[in-house]
Amino acid sequence: QVQLVESGGGLVKPGGSLRLSCAGSGFAFSDYYLSWIRQAPGKGLEWVSYISGSSTDTNYADSVKGRFTISRDNAKRSLHLQMNSLGAEDTAVYYCARGGTGIPGSQRYWGQGTLVTVSS
Amino acid sequence: EIVLTQSPGTLSLSPGERATLSCRASQSVSSTYFAWYQQKPGQAPRLLIYAASDRVSGIPDRFSGSGSGTDFTLTISRLEPEDSAVYYCQQYGSSYTFGQGTKLDIK
Repeated sequence: QVQLVESGGGLVKPGGSLRLSCAGSGFAFSDYYLSWIRQAPGKGLEWVSYISGSSTDTNYADSVKGRFTISRDNAKRSLHLQMNSLGAEDTAVYYCARGGTGIPGSQRYWGQGTLVTVSS
Repeated sequence: EIVLTQSPGTLSLSPGERATLSCRASQSVSSTYFAWYQQKPGQAPRLLIYAASDRVSGIPDRFSGSGSGTDFTLTISRLEPEDSAVYYCQQYGSSYTFGQGTKLDIK
């Protein structure tokens, strides 16, 4: 079955960096768009970034553009999110989610999320 | 950026009733690229409806989606207690945006 497992969350100081990872299994990993979607405590869902299967198409929310970088390693079936210059507004549960093939698509499968807390 | 506005913010209904959740877009969205999600506390969101009206396999037929252009609706007929959750709409035709959510309480 399709599984997405995030890791790498934790407590980081303002201005710091963190790298999130997501391991995928149970599907043709390189065929699918993948996204990071976050949810601040008690708030709604916010899409952060997506990447195509071949890594040729990436996109970012304005709120993270220039600070976050999405990447993937299809050989290792892993997705990453490098987060720099973190601020309190980045505190959230970060979900990895699978999109479509050929288009970003809706997110049929999600991981369980990893919590990022930005605080001094 | 396409802004999605959901209404109402909170909905309180009884088991067996029908729920109608609305989502309005700030500009026209292709129905091909519109979805609804359900999220329960402590869980990841679950995709219910994609392409505005296509139900994901395994989702009860009590859940149905409709709409086009700027107005979309999620209807839940014959509410059950386990339908208590927050529901989000999403467009994925122009990047991605989510609505702010509608909290549905079943009492």
